[in-house]
Amino acid sequence: GAGVSQSPSNKVTEKGKDVELRCDPISGHTALYWYRQSLGQGLEFLIYFQGNSAPDKSGLPSDRFSAERTGGSVSTLTIQRTQQEDSAVYLCASSSRLSGRGFSNYGYTFGSGTRLTVV
Amino acid sequence: DQQVKQNSPSLSVQEGRISILNCDYTNSMFDYFLWYKKYPAEGPTFLISISSIKDKNEDGRFTVFLNKSAKHLSLHIVPSQPGDSAVYFCAASDFTGANSKLTFGKGITLSVRP
Repeated sequence: GAGVSQSPSNKVTEKGKDVELRCDPISGHTALYWYRQSLGQGLEFLIYFQGNSAPDKSGLPSDRFSAERTGGSVSTLTIQRTQQEDSAVYLCASSSRLSGRGFSNYGYTFGSGTRLTVV
Repeated sequence: DQQVKQNSPSLSVQEGRISILNCDYTNSMFDYFLWYKKYPAEGPTFLISISSIKDKNEDGRFTVFLNKSAKHLSLHIVPSQPGDSAVYFCAASDFTGANSKLTFGKGITLSVRP
């Protein structure tokens, strides 16, 4: 597609339920990033994919969070046993380069995000 | 541990005047800095960037200044326009990292009054 697509755009779930958030990156972009923005906070890095592998998972807040990427394209972020503190906007970005070198904008293109509300 | 700090959560300026948005960082390994702009219900979009080998980069109404010794950068918008009203995020990275991860600040909400 022309841009990074995320679904759903909004998700309300009950505490304790599992949720899956989907990111469809720009075609051909090899790097994919998940960030989240909690209320009053900045963009918090969660995980980075290069192709189907995740060399940096350092931002995942707990083992309830996991992510996968298949076919070097679509990525799914799964949150198990959701808690109220998981409520946030989850943003996905993709990039066409391993490193930002050579791109003035670092090659990042963000999706519009998924607003997750845990009640 | 906030490595990128935007200490002022909001800024309000009159249309036509200058907006100055500040950002501080603590990681001396950062050597590339970017500003992103975000409207409600949209993802952040790239605005302007600067490499650590420079101290100024200008693009139209937007200029970013970098003071490496102070670990400080600022975004100047002049003249400010109502359409500039948005949340502005400062971001930083280092080219030594293989994953080009960006570290973001908390953002500043800019309101430009007509």
